[in-house]
Amino acid sequence: SQTIHQWPATLVQPVGSPLSLECTVEGTSNPNLYWYRQAAGRGLQLLFYSVGIGQISSEVPQNLSASRPQDRQFILSSKKLLLSDSGFYLCAWSAQRHGGSPLHFGNGTRLTVT
Amino acid sequence: SQKIEQNSEALNIQEGKTATLTCNYTNYSPAYLQWYRQDPGRGPVFLLLIRENEKEKRKERLKVTFDTTLKQSLFHITASQPADSATYLCALGSRGFGNEKLTFGTGTRLTIIP
Repeated sequence: SQTIHQWPATLVQPVGSPLSLECTVEGTSNPNLYWYRQAAGRGLQLLFYSVGIGQISSEVPQNLSASRPQDRQFILSSKKLLLSDSGFYLCAWSAQRHGGSPLHFGNGTRLTVT
Repeated sequence: SQKIEQNSEALNIQEGKTATLTCNYTNYSPAYLQWYRQDPGRGPVFLLLIRENEKEKRKERLKVTFDTTLKQSLFHITASQPADSATYLCALGSRGFGNEKLTFGTGTRLTIIP
């Protein structure tokens, strides 16, 4: 069966520090991968998605970036964190890109920027 | 602009009764609609998908309806149990696009009272 791993579960970082969140998927190949951010009282906001190795699409301009160095690995990064980067970050995968293919989420990283 | 509203932030239902959650949308013609369950501190879990040409979908104690005239989806949990307590998210997808265009509502926090 397919599983998705996301770490760390919680992270407290000072403003201006770098960030690296990692997500890996097991049990499937060539998944579509997504990074979302969830803020309190707001819907899930798509940050990046990837349909293949090295292929990254950004949905929201910001100081975050994403990379997909391997088929089942997706990394969210920042060179310098802002206070506004605090939130709950979720990685997800779907088997296909087409509409309706269910998203399978990891358990998220709670990021607090101080 | 596109807008999704889930009926209320919180809903309390007596155990054994049917819980009904609402997802309304405006300025949108979704091709399909998904429902997810999210427990505190965890990622959302996919429950059901319903397409624009379907009126109703069922899965065990869950039932989803989709009324494109009313621009509304209803999510029912029959014979509700305390274990059904969670936040439920609806997500709308656009015709011709993949999951990168999936728009999530802010969710309804359901509490089943024993």
